[in-house]
Amino acid sequence: QVQVVQSGPEVKKPGTSVKVSCEASGFTFSNSAVQWVRQARGQRLEWIGWIVIASGNTNYAENLQGRLTISRDMSTNTAYMELSSLGSEDTAVFYCAAELYSNGCCFFEHWGQGTLVTVSS
Amino acid sequence: QSALTQPASVSGSPGQSITISCTGTSSDVGAYNYVSWYQQHPGEAPKLMIYDVSNRPSGVSNRFSASKSGNTAALTISGLQPEDEGDYYCISYTTTTSYVFGTGTKVTVL
Repeated sequence: QVQVVQSGPEVKKPGTSVKVSCEASGFTFSNSAVQWVRQARGQRLEWIGWIVIASGNTNYAENLQGRLTISRDMSTNTAYMELSSLGSEDTAVFYCAAELYSNGCCFFEHWGQGTLVTVSS
Repeated sequence: QSALTQPASVSGSPGQSITISCTGTSSDVGAYNYVSWYQQHPGEAPKLMIYDVSNRPSGVSNRFSASKSGNTAALTISGLQPEDEGDYYCISYTTTTSYVFGTGTKVTVL
């Protein structure tokens, strides 16, 4: 059974960084990609980046280039999203979603429960 | 990358059919058959409803169908039921190997 479990809520001060984890199980982690999506309260979903697990290749949304780093640890089946220089506009729920290449390409099949990141002084 | 355009809201009575459009460009929706649709209930993570333009994952009701023509994709919900209420988002793979979400549509069952 596929499971995707994210780390807990975070409260951060402006200017600092946050790192959210996304642990996967029930499938071959190395044959997948992990997408990251954020959603501010009452707003639409926004794609922010992805990582191909086998190669470590990443791609980030243009508006977050330079502040966003996505990484993975294949020994623990975990992907990470780190966002730096936080501002109040970064307050949002961050989701990860696993894309299983065994099932095809380019859709977000299994989602984590979401991690609320609050940026407040 | 600008968001794909969806209507802000669509409503229908139980049993009716509704259609949600998703308009992009030749760099996203029109470029590949990699449009997917997600349902989101308040406080919950999104759920995959359609992938590769028109395919339903196992467990998704066959009341959900979808298609694409040119730069516009569409999701149809037939036999509308109260549990279909929620927000719906399309997303497309793009020519820059990134993704772009739609603006989201709130579906109301009257």
